[in-house]
Amino acid sequence: GQQVMQIPQYQHVQEGEDFTTYCNSSTTLSNIQWYKQRPGGHPVFLIQLVKSGEVKKQKRLTFQFGEAKKNSSLHITATQTTDVGTYFCAGYNYGGSQGNLIFGKGTKLSVKP
Amino acid sequence: NAGVTQTPKFQVLKTGQSMTLQCAQDMNHEYMSWYRQDPGMGLRLIHYSVGAGITDQGEVPNGYNVSRSTTEDFPLRLLSAAPSQTSVYFCASSYGQGLQYFGPGTRLTVL
Repeated sequence: GQQVMQIPQYQHVQEGEDFTTYCNSSTTLSNIQWYKQRPGGHPVFLIQLVKSGEVKKQKRLTFQFGEAKKNSSLHITATQTTDVGTYFCAGYNYGGSQGNLIFGKGTKLSVKP
Repeated sequence: NAGVTQTPKFQVLKTGQSMTLQCAQDMNHEYMSWYRQDPGMGLRLIHYSVGAGITDQGEVPNGYNVSRSTTEDFPLRLLSAAPSQTSVYFCASSYGQGLQYFGPGTRLTVL
């Protein structure tokens, strides 16, 4: 079945350093979504990418969708303590079941002030 | 709008007991899903629905039942609770394959 792999599992950075998490799917995705979950909270939607090669920015966050629509990345420039949390990617399998959204295991980011 | 609501927030069960986790949304979303979250395992899809009267299995459906009699409600039933079902359960809804709105979660412990 479809698998979505996410690396690294954990990342510890000093405040001000950059951070990147990578997401790879075993199958072509129709779209990819990114979520952030703060400790003790629920996942909150960040962005959705649909087009091959798409790049979107939200302030210090840059999201990319690969040309083959099988991989994606989230890059945070100059991390802040407010960036702490777990970042998940999730994708719908292209041509697959409509409601079957598969999540990666997430990257837990900690930021040392 | 209340968004996605889940009850209860916390629950402790004994092995073999049954219970229903409630989920409701007031955004008229077609898609609703149940996930469980365990440490290091991310979010795993249990069951999902793309509309009233339509449900399907996700990655880890065993031991759980769902029904979708209305657009608003999507209850998750544990038939005979087992310690392996100790987890945090999230319900989510979306308009098609768009962004998912998550509920606050139910923290379930099975003794």
